[in-house]
Amino acid sequence: AQSVSQHNHHVILSEAASLELGCNYSYGGTVNLFWYVQYPGQHLQLLLKYFSGDPLVKGIKGFEAEFIKSKFSFNLRKPSVQWSDTAEYFCAVKGNNRLAFGKGNQVVVIP
Amino acid sequence: GAVVSQHPSRVICKSGTSVKIECRSLDFQATTMFWYRQFPKQSLMLMATSNEGSKATYEQGVEKDKFLINHASLTLSTLTVTSAHPEDSSFYICSVGGTGVGTEAFFGQGTRLTVV
Repeated sequence: AQSVSQHNHHVILSEAASLELGCNYSYGGTVNLFWYVQYPGQHLQLLLKYFSGDPLVKGIKGFEAEFIKSKFSFNLRKPSVQWSDTAEYFCAVKGNNRLAFGKGNQVVVIP
Repeated sequence: GAVVSQHPSRVICKSGTSVKIECRSLDFQATTMFWYRQFPKQSLMLMATSNEGSKATYEQGVEKDKFLINHASLTLSTLTVTSAHPEDSSFYICSVGGTGVGTEAFFGQGTRLTVV
């Protein structure tokens, strides 16, 4: 079964700062990769996904992620965060039709 | 994307009682739904796969007699926590979709269960 690692559970940064959240996974087969966001009091929403093709994917709200197969990584980035980006971010990996999640990153953006 | 609704969003119950959580797929016919459990500062852990018209498939370590799952229609799956204990207090989330290659899952808003 696949596993997903996310580091630095708590991230605090100021508006306009750049954000990068790491995601590493372990699985030997073909994977689909996702980043989900959970705003306070809301359900999980898809930020972006990678299935195949260009390893640099762009999602909603200015987020992007890069799949680096050799590093088993799918890091999330945003060049300039806003206060409204305060949320919890989950990396997820689907392999063999099973979806596995990382522990999440709690991101707090200070105005 | 699919709209998934969970009810209730919060519930408090006494030890020893049972609690039912509903997961409805409002615009997507789901032959399969998934139930997750999330502990504070932990990832979502898949508990079981709910199959319409047949028995659910439980993950290793999940007690099927404790967490009863019923998937009677293409739009509704229920999770019943039986004889609840304080250690069952958690955040329960359901999802639909994402079973095929290149497809994504859609999640309900979750249910916060507190057993006192």
